[in-house]
Amino acid sequence: DMKVTQMPRYLIKRMGENVLLECGQDMSHETMYWYRQDPGLGLQLIYISYDVDSNSEGDIPKGYRVSRKKREHFSLILDSAKTNQTSVYFCASSLSGGGSQNTLYFGAGTRLSVL
Amino acid sequence: GEQVEQRPPHLSVREGDSAVITCTYTDPNSYYFFWYKQEPGASLQLLMKVFSSTEINEGQGFTVLLNKKDKRLSLNLTAAHPGDSAAYFCAVSPSSFSKLVFGQGTSLSVVP
Repeated sequence: DMKVTQMPRYLIKRMGENVLLECGQDMSHETMYWYRQDPGLGLQLIYISYDVDSNSEGDIPKGYRVSRKKREHFSLILDSAKTNQTSVYFCASSLSGGGSQNTLYFGAGTRLSVL
Repeated sequence: GEQVEQRPPHLSVREGDSAVITCTYTDPNSYYFFWYKQEPGASLQLLMKVFSSTEINEGQGFTVLLNKKDKRLSLNLTAAHPGDSAAYFCAVSPSSFSKLVFGQGTSLSVVP
């Protein structure tokens, strides 16, 4: 069964705390993504990972970093979280990064609140 | 870079009516187009993938139209039912490698 799994589903943190969001996929997809979704803004790309230790900034990377040490696992890290990072975060994966194989498979999302 | 504008942001229709959601894009070289559906509290699920070589694509209960001249992509839900109530997102794959550009989303409500 093709699946992208995100943990945790819900998270509440205080401003200044560190946050770790985790994502796994069982499809051996090369490319993985982190998006955030805010009302009225659609999905904004934070980072793309093309494979292990091959990561690129997306459109809004500031305040975030990522780690991909295994192909099936991609982490999003917020060092010293800010209140404006309250959002829903989606992880996605695709077979590869380009062209017709760009179909993205999404995880269920993590709803993060930074107080 | 590619920009995608999706309209309307909110749409309410009666059961049995049609619902039309439209996206306009800027990069004339864009070739792959996607519609995703997101039910409340859930993840995004692929509804349809469209290639620019085909202008009309039909799914179960909906049609996707691509007008390359006007750079417009539309999703037409025919005879909408309450199960269609969800957020819908278009996404465009521009000519550059890898990045999809998403529209802002449309929240559709189908009232019985």
